[in-house]
Amino acid sequence: KAGVTQTPRYLIKTRGQQVTLSCSPISGHRSVSWYQQTPGQGLQFLFEYFSETQRNKGNFPGRFSGRQFSNSRSEMNVSTLELGDSALYLCASSQGTVSNQPQHFGDGTRLSIL
Amino acid sequence: AQSVTQLDSHVSVSEGTPVLLRCNYSSSYSPSLFWYVQHPNKGLQLLLKYTTGATLVKGINGFEAEFKKSETSFHLTKPSAHMSDAAEYFCVVSRKGSTLGRLYFGRGTQLTVWP
Repeated sequence: KAGVTQTPRYLIKTRGQQVTLSCSPISGHRSVSWYQQTPGQGLQFLFEYFSETQRNKGNFPGRFSGRQFSNSRSEMNVSTLELGDSALYLCASSQGTVSNQPQHFGDGTRLSIL
Repeated sequence: AQSVTQLDSHVSVSEGTPVLLRCNYSSSYSPSLFWYVQHPNKGLQLLLKYTTGATLVKGINGFEAEFKKSETSFHLTKPSAHMSDAAEYFCVVSRKGSTLGRLYFGRGTQLTVWP
């Protein structure tokens, strides 16, 4: 079974631009969660989607948004990029019915803002 | 509310010696607990999980952890460290039985293994 696939792996943008990151979950997984990882703040939860609906959201500004498609693939969008958005963005998928089902992570997209 | 405290930001051991990575959690609900490992430029890999049942949980690569409710701890151990164990380790808590797929991460423990 293929794992969680995130594209692209690396991205360089400048302040003020916007970016879209993509995540393909493990086949059969209906839940996709997004996390931001930085040296200063560690791993922080962005949001979770289940069956195309946002089920949970972390404490991030509205510039961060996401969506999930009918095939469970998910995208995350960040608008008006700031230097502080430089981070590793991780996507995780699970079957999604209850929290004791482990989340499986992709290798992440490393976003650098110049 | 839920949170995790990893008591050591860095742990160094010699190859062949035991590993102990300490984790305390706080949860208003019955917790599900996990340990994940992250190698450089990679995502997180699940080592083991505790949800219910036996409090001593065995994971991959010889790691195990013990859930101690009275101490609110979930320490990770391995009898004999290997060079390939060098990585960052994250203790994670979520709300057991919740349909909300949110994980709460500790700040991580960087494990260095000396030859």
